[in-house]
Amino acid sequence: KQEVTQIPAALSVPEGENLVLNCSFTDSAIYNLQWFRQDPGKGLTSLLLIQSSQREQTSGRLNASLDKSSGRSTLYIAASQPGDSATYLCASMDSNYQLIWGAGTKLIIKP
Amino acid sequence: DTGVSQNPRHKITKRGQNVTFRCDPISEHNRLYWYRQTLGQGPEFLTYFQNEAQLEKSRLLSDRFSAERPKGSFSTLEIQRTEQGDSAMYLCASSSNYRAAEAFFGQGTRLTVV
Repeated sequence: KQEVTQIPAALSVPEGENLVLNCSFTDSAIYNLQWFRQDPGKGLTSLLLIQSSQREQTSGRLNASLDKSSGRSTLYIAASQPGDSATYLCASMDSNYQLIWGAGTKLIIKP
Repeated sequence: DTGVSQNPRHKITKRGQNVTFRCDPISEHNRLYWYRQTLGQGPEFLTYFQNEAQLEKSRLLSDRFSAERPKGSFSTLEIQRTEQGDSAMYLCASSSNYRAAEAFFGQGTRLTVV
């Protein structure tokens, strides 16, 4: 059974810093790996989707990497801004298009 | 298209009462998912519809839970005899068969059982 873990559970950094969020998964037989953002009391916004055959995806200041052999993905946020404050969730998708989620990393960017 | 819509956004109910939530997916999306998210945790899969057919149900979906998608468009999730442990955010997502890996989420219904 797939298990997805995110470390750290919470992170607080000053504005402008670059940061890395970590995601690990136990079963490398994934269809893809996705990163989402969740703002308090709200739904989920998709940030990046990495296919199992890909190593990374980039969108603006965000870069996500995938290493299936080690069961790890990272989300890199460059030049962080207070508006980046949110909970970031990673999820692995299996061949049935089912998502298995980590518990998230709560990120606070201090002005 | 306005995206996935869920109603109500918030629901407070007394223990033992029945509640029903509604999800309107993006039009023409065949696939519809329900998830439950408790505080500090990631979402957990509850059930999945392909058009009107309910193809998969999690063991989390006890006998008190029932979901329908009668015409393959909107879906309802009903919880009977609510318990305090049912308090959570209930999320709905939809995707098309052509881009099944890209699910779009609604803003969720936050249920509080008192």
